[in-house]
Amino acid sequence: AQTVTQSQPEMSVQEAETVTLSCTYDTSESDYYLFWYKQPPSRQMILVIRQEAYKQQNATENRFSVNFQKAAKSFSLKISDSQLGDAAMYFCAYRSARETSGSRLTFGEGTQLTVNP
Amino acid sequence: DTAVSQTPKYLVTQMGNDKSIKCEQNLGHDTMYWYKQDSKKFLKIMFSYNNKELIINETVPNRFSPKSPDKAHLNLHINSLELGDSAVYFCASSQDRANSYEQYFGPGTRLTVT
Repeated sequence: AQTVTQSQPEMSVQEAETVTLSCTYDTSESDYYLFWYKQPPSRQMILVIRQEAYKQQNATENRFSVNFQKAAKSFSLKISDSQLGDAAMYFCAYRSARETSGSRLTFGEGTQLTVNP
Repeated sequence: DTAVSQTPKYLVTQMGNDKSIKCEQNLGHDTMYWYKQDSKKFLKIMFSYNNKELIINETVPNRFSPKSPDKAHLNLHINSLELGDSAVYFCASSQDRANSYEQYFGPGTRLTVT
C-alpha cells in the first residue's frame, strides 16, 4: 500500500516571502500522479497543482511550483510571494495510475501554513 | 454554478440515530467518492462508485451504506450513529480518463454526534 508523509505539521512564512512544504511518499509503482490540495478555514478542498510521474518537468501554476524527485520519492511544494490568502492546511496526495477508474487519493497528514503580515 | 454539492453542510444528531448525507455533481463525471476527515484533519477514502457500481469499499463499518441512484449522485446513509462517527465527510468526483484524473471535492458535511 502506498503511504504519504508530510513531516512538517506547521510552517510559517512572512508575506511576500517564499516557503517550501515537504512531502515524501512510498510506492512500488512506476506510474502515478501527485497532487497538492489546499484547505482554507472554509474547509473546501482546492486543487493547487498536479504532477504526472512520467513527466520529468516540474509542474508550475503561477506562484506555486513543485520539486518532483522521483528516485527520492519526494514532492515538495514551493509557494513564492506568499499572500495572506495562502494561509491554509496543505495536503499532499498520491493517486495510482494503474487503476483506470475509481482510484483513491492517499493523503498525507497535512501541513498548516501561517502567513504573517 | 456549484460543481460538487453536499447537503447538509452541518449535521448534529444523537447517538443511535440514522442519518443521510446527499451528494450531487454537475460535472458529468462518472466516478464519485466519499472521504472521511477526522478530528486530526486526516483524510481517508471510504467508498468510490463508477457509473453506479461500487469500486472501492474500505474497511468501514457496515453501518455506513453508500447509494448511487445515478452517476451524478452518491448518498451516504449511516445507521446507529456513534460518537466516533463525528467527522467531516467529503464527497468528490472525477472523470478518470487520460489527462483528466483530478478529483473535485464538495464543501464537506460536518457531522457531530452527541
